[in-house]
Amino acid sequence: AQKVTQAQTEISVVEKEDVTLDCVYETRDTTYYLFWYKQPPSGELVFLIRRNSFDEQNEISGRYSWNFQKSTSSFNFTITASQVVDSAVYFCALSEADNNAGNMLTFGGGTRLMVKP
Amino acid sequence: AAGVIQSPRHLIKEKRETATLKCYPIPRHDTVYWYQQGPGQDPQFLISFYEKMQSDKGSIPDRFSAQQFSDYHSELNMSSLELGDSALYFCASSSREAGGTDTQYFGPGTRLTVL
Repeated sequence: AQKVTQAQTEISVVEKEDVTLDCVYETRDTTYYLFWYKQPPSGELVFLIRRNSFDEQNEISGRYSWNFQKSTSSFNFTITASQVVDSAVYFCALSEADNNAGNMLTFGGGTRLMVKP
Repeated sequence: AAGVIQSPRHLIKEKRETATLKCYPIPRHDTVYWYQQGPGQDPQFLISFYEKMQSDKGSIPDRFSAQQFSDYHSELNMSSLELGDSALYFCASSSREAGGTDTQYFGPGTRLTVL
């Protein structure tokens, strides 16, 4: 069975601080995909990144960066120089990879990030 | 770029009524997923369809049914509504990628309130 754990339920920072959101996963599959989604107060789910289990390269996109460590089953997300617009709930998610379409996403419980001015 | 469209955006129903939620995937996406998100919870997978056939099934109650039509849009039918069905219902779509899993793009959601 797959499981995703986001131990931090809520984080509060002041604008311009760096913040890291933790994600730990469990899966018996050797091939899998990891995702991060952002859910702002308006409610939609916005795709941020996808990583497959073969690719442990860290990724940077603007102020966002992701650190994937297979050895510790973690896929952490760092926001540098946070801004008020970053305030949202962030979900880490896992999907197995096989030749079937329509594989479900298993989400973590989410981390609510509040960035104060 | 075109996104996933869901209708209606808000729906209020009484207990024991029925509801139909609609989802129009991103053009050329062939796979549709339904998720339910209760207040303060993470999204829970209900069901998915690929090329109009059911692909994967999660914790979807027997009172709910869904299908994908020839134009790839999907409908989630909910009967005998209960108070606990009040939630945000997301539809997502993806394009089948060879040998891997697909990135799911989510619609804005339908907020269902059961009174």
